[in-house]
Amino acid sequence: AQSVAQPEDQVNVAEGNPLTVKCTYSVSGNPYLFWYVQYPNRGLQFLLKYITGDNLVKGSYGFEAEFNKSQTSFHLKKPSALVSDSALYFCAVREVDNFNKFYFGSGTKLNVKP
Amino acid sequence: GAGVSQTPSNKVTEKGKYVELRCDPISGHTALYWYRQSLGQGPEFLIYFQGTGAADDSGLPNDRFFAVRPEGSVSTLKIQRTERGDSAVYLCASSFSSYNEQFFGPGTRLTVL
Repeated sequence: AQSVAQPEDQVNVAEGNPLTVKCTYSVSGNPYLFWYVQYPNRGLQFLLKYITGDNLVKGSYGFEAEFNKSQTSFHLKKPSALVSDSALYFCAVREVDNFNKFYFGSGTKLNVKP
Repeated sequence: GAGVSQTPSNKVTEKGKYVELRCDPISGHTALYWYRQSLGQGPEFLIYFQGTGAADDSGLPNDRFFAVRPEGSVSTLKIQRTERGDSAVYLCASSFSSYNEQFFGPGTRLTVL
């Protein structure tokens, strides 16, 4: 069965510093991985995805994620955090055997302080 | 352009009542998904439509939950005999096809008293 783990409930970082939000996955085949962001009272917004190819994926708002097959990780990164990046971030994996099902992690709350 | 919309934004009901939650996907999107998000958790898959048919309803928790998409656009999630444990935010998402990323609506917060 596919699953996703986000080991940190919360990440605190100062504005201008680099940020990392961690995600590890468990899949039976090649993973299809996604990052979404959720702002208060708004729907989830797609940030980026990894399907195949380059391990470093670039997405919206300056975010990027690094796929590491040996560590089964897909950490979200940004070189310089903004206060406006403060939100809830979800990692998701698409089921390989059933392409229609997504499994989401429990979310990581990112706090960027001025 | 218009995104995914969901109505109502909030619904408060009493235990045992019937509720309907509506989702208007992005025009032209053939794939539609329903998720349930409990407090402090990520979205949990409920059901997936491709066109008018429910291609995968394996995430529906029990037979009190049902969803339809009769014309391949708007979808309604129906919950019978609601229970307090059904309280959650119900999210709808659509995509151009099942191979594309999903666009989420703002959700309907359901509270069962």
